[in-house]
Amino acid sequence: AQSVTQLGSHVSVSEGALVLLRCNYSSSVPPYLFWYVQYPNQGLQLLLKYTSAATLVKGINGFEAEFKKSETSFHLTKPSAHMSDAAEYFCAVRETSYDKVIFGPGTSLSVIP
Amino acid sequence: DGGITQSPKYLFRKEGQNVTLSCEQNLNHDAMYWYRQDPGQGLRLIYYSQIVNDFQKGDIAEGYSVSREKKESFPLTVTSAQKNPTAFYLCASSMIQDWSTEAFFGQGTRLTVV
Repeated sequence: AQSVTQLGSHVSVSEGALVLLRCNYSSSVPPYLFWYVQYPNQGLQLLLKYTSAATLVKGINGFEAEFKKSETSFHLTKPSAHMSDAAEYFCAVRETSYDKVIFGPGTSLSVIP
Repeated sequence: DGGITQSPKYLFRKEGQNVTLSCEQNLNHDAMYWYRQDPGQGLRLIYYSQIVNDFQKGDIAEGYSVSREKKESFPLTVTSAQKNPTAFYLCASSMIQDWSTEAFFGQGTRLTVV
């Protein structure tokens, strides 16, 4: 069965520092993986997705994520945090031919001036 | 512009009342979903539908009902049987022909019981 864990329900970084948000998944088959961002009182917006074309995926707003099969991980990074990056981030997984997307519990990112 | 529209953005309900949350999409997606979001609990799936006139229960369906009479519309009714309905509700849609495609989300409805 699919599941997603996100280490750290809350992460704080200084403006300009590296952002690292962790995501690990469990899946019996190679999955599709997604990162979404949610700003307060809004819906979720796709940041990037892994669909097996390349292990390093670049997304919007300078974010990228690397798929590591051996570690069953899909961590999200950004070299330099900006104040506007403060939001909730969700990792999600979907198995091939499975009709549901499973979301992790989310990580709230704070950016300190 | 293609997208998903949820209405209303804010909704207040008296205890014992049923309320219906609207979700409409013009993306021509087959699948539609309802999620409930509570602080610190992420997204929990209430119901989903892959085709008109068919839907399945998610993880927390008790106290909720849905219908899918049209491909574009997937309204959610929060019934009086739902003991703690105050939450943020998100509707989403996706393609099912290509499993690699992402889900698209509406802007959410915040329901408060008064």
